[in-house]
Amino acid sequence: DGGITQSPKYLFRKEGQNVTLSCEQNLNHDAMYWYRQDPGQGLRLIYYSQIVNDFQKGDIAEGYSVSREKKESFPLTVTSAQKNPTAFYLCASTPTQGAAGELFFGEGSRLTVL
Amino acid sequence: GDSVTQMEGPVTLSEEAFLTINCTYTATGYPSLFWYVQYPGEGLQLLLKATKADDKGSNKGFEATYRKETTSFHLEKGSVQVSDSAVYFCALSDKTGNQFYFGTGTSLTVIP
Repeated sequence: DGGITQSPKYLFRKEGQNVTLSCEQNLNHDAMYWYRQDPGQGLRLIYYSQIVNDFQKGDIAEGYSVSREKKESFPLTVTSAQKNPTAFYLCASTPTQGAAGELFFGEGSRLTVL
Repeated sequence: GDSVTQMEGPVTLSEEAFLTINCTYTATGYPSLFWYVQYPGEGLQLLLKATKADDKGSNKGFEATYRKETTSFHLEKGSVQVSDSAVYFCALSDKTGNQFYFGTGTSLTVIP
């Protein structure tokens, strides 16, 4: 079945370590997004990418990095510069630039800093 | 800029009660509007959408009508079930279709 796969589902990190969250989609979507969700809050945009080899910062990009080397993959690295990384991270994609399509979401990755 | 404001929760209802979750938006042009649902520990799933004024989105007994005159997209269901317990997010995509804006979510608990 087509969809978005995020891994790992749960991840624990020690302070000072970088971690990378994987996001893969087989929906042939052009645009991909990373959101952060904290308890009781909405979704905040970290980075998004509309085409391969191009991406833009969202509202809370500091301490995060991404790459978009392939259309189907959009990994997110949480660096040691991110001061409060414990959160639920959601990857999403949408089919066509400029179309009024909805976002499709992965199941999320929960990162906990010990 | 574009934004979404939705009713704060949490909301607790008895089974078979009527549900309304208010959502209003600010946007330039003609956005598309969405309701997403999130079950514990999962990602968001599209519940329904409307792409132009006066459209009604519906799914699983939930409905919402795109009201341009009041810039609203309120979610309603006539008779909620325990299985409807989740967090509901109102969202819009801007006129380019590339930027999405979410409300803060409304937690719904339905008790038997």
